[in-house]
Amino acid sequence: SQKIEQNSEALNIQEGKTATLTCNYTNYSPAYLQWYRQDPGRGPVFLLLIRENEKEKRKERLKVTFDTTLKQSLFHITASQPADSATYLCALVSLSGGGADGLTFGKGTHLIIQP
Amino acid sequence: DAGITQSPRHKVTETGTPVTLRCHQTENHRYMYWYRQDPGHGLRLIHYSYGVKDTDKGEVSDGYSVSRSKTEDFLLTLESATSSQTSVYFCAISDPGRQGSYEQYFGPGTRLTVT
Repeated sequence: SQKIEQNSEALNIQEGKTATLTCNYTNYSPAYLQWYRQDPGRGPVFLLLIRENEKEKRKERLKVTFDTTLKQSLFHITASQPADSATYLCALVSLSGGGADGLTFGKGTHLIIQP
Repeated sequence: DAGITQSPRHKVTETGTPVTLRCHQTENHRYMYWYRQDPGHGLRLIHYSYGVKDTDKGEVSDGYSVSRSKTEDFLLTLESATSSQTSVYFCAISDPGRQGSYEQYFGPGTRLTVT
């Protein structure tokens, strides 16, 4: 069965360092991989998308890599700040249903940036 | 929250009663989705719609029905609520034809408690 794994334990990072979050998947051939941020009591917010033929994507302090051979994506936040503390969700999109049949989410990694 | 509202935001109901949750969007996006989020499971797709009166089942559709009579409204109905349906429900919208990348925009969520 399809499976998406993210670090289940909270990740504690010191302010100013780079935070790296991992998303691994099995039995899946995603066309796109997305990362979302979720704050307590709020809905997820889209951050970045990377396509299967792209190796890396950047947006300000965020960087995502996508290795379809390893079936893994890494999400980096450089120069981390306490305001970056949140739960980060990885989500996959296949195009088998024309892309309309929703996202498959990982359970998320809780990131804590300590001052 | 990208022009998406959900109502009610909180609801407590008794086992066996019908419940309807409403999602309203002002973005004119074609696709709408209902997810539930539970500890240990992450976000899971319940039903989705790819146009007015066009809906399909997601991963966890048992016990739920949906309707979409207008582009802007997507209703989720629990015909006879059970305690296992206690959860946080999120609506999301997407328009791949316009965006070309399948990112989704989420509403603020509805916290439903079935006693």
